Amino acid sequence: GEDVEQSLFLSVREGDSSVINCTYTDSSSTYLYWYKQEPGAGLQLLTYIFSNMDMKQDQRLTVLLNKKDKHLSLRIADTQTGDSAIYFCAEKVRGSASKIIFGSGTRLSIRP
Amino acid sequence: DTGVSQNPRHKITKRGQNVTFRCDPISEHNRLYWYRQTLGQGPEFLTYFQNEAQLEKSRLLSDRFSAERPKGSFSTLEIQRTEQGDSAMYLCASSPVGKTETQYFGPGTRLLVL
Repeated sequence: GEDVEQSLFLSVREGDSSVINCTYTDSSSTYLYWYKQEPGAGLQLLTYIFSNMDMKQDQRLTVLLNKKDKHLSLRIADTQTGDSAIYFCAEKVRGSASKIIFGSGTRLSIRP
Repeated sequence: DTGVSQNPRHKITKRGQNVTFRCDPISEHNRLYWYRQTLGQGPEFLTYFQNEAQLEKSRLLSDRFSAERPKGSFSTLEIQRTEQGDSAMYLCASSPVGKTETQYFGPGTRLLVL
């Protein structure tokens, strides 16, 4: 079946890099996503990667995809207090025109 | 482009009442999605529309739930005879023609059933 797993919490010092990890089970995933959710807000699409890529960089964000291990990571360079949020990993499954499967989210907190 | 908007942002109701939520997608986005998010969880897919046609529904969408998108623009999600277990954030998203891999989310409607 389809399942996306993430660790629940991550704490990093301001200015350090944050690395949020995710594993998924469905090898037929077509796209993999990272969304950010701040308290009381909807989800903001941060970045996404097509399944035939292994890396994507966008300013402070780097996404790494290991398709063999079904492992996705999001690295945030020079983490700032504004990066405090819940980060959701998600996958779009081949065969579904629409459905995105989300993980439970990783809460990132920043220490001064 | 004002983004996806949802109304109301918060709703408190008593068990057994009916509630209706509205979603206005980003202009010219032909696909519209509804998700439900409970505390501490990621969003779960409920249903989606392409224009006015409802093309996919999750098993989570019980008979008490109905969604419409009559003119292919805004959508409504109605919950009849609400139960306490319906308390959640209801999120709407939309995606543009030719880029269905990207879904843009609204701020959500938080429902509390007492």
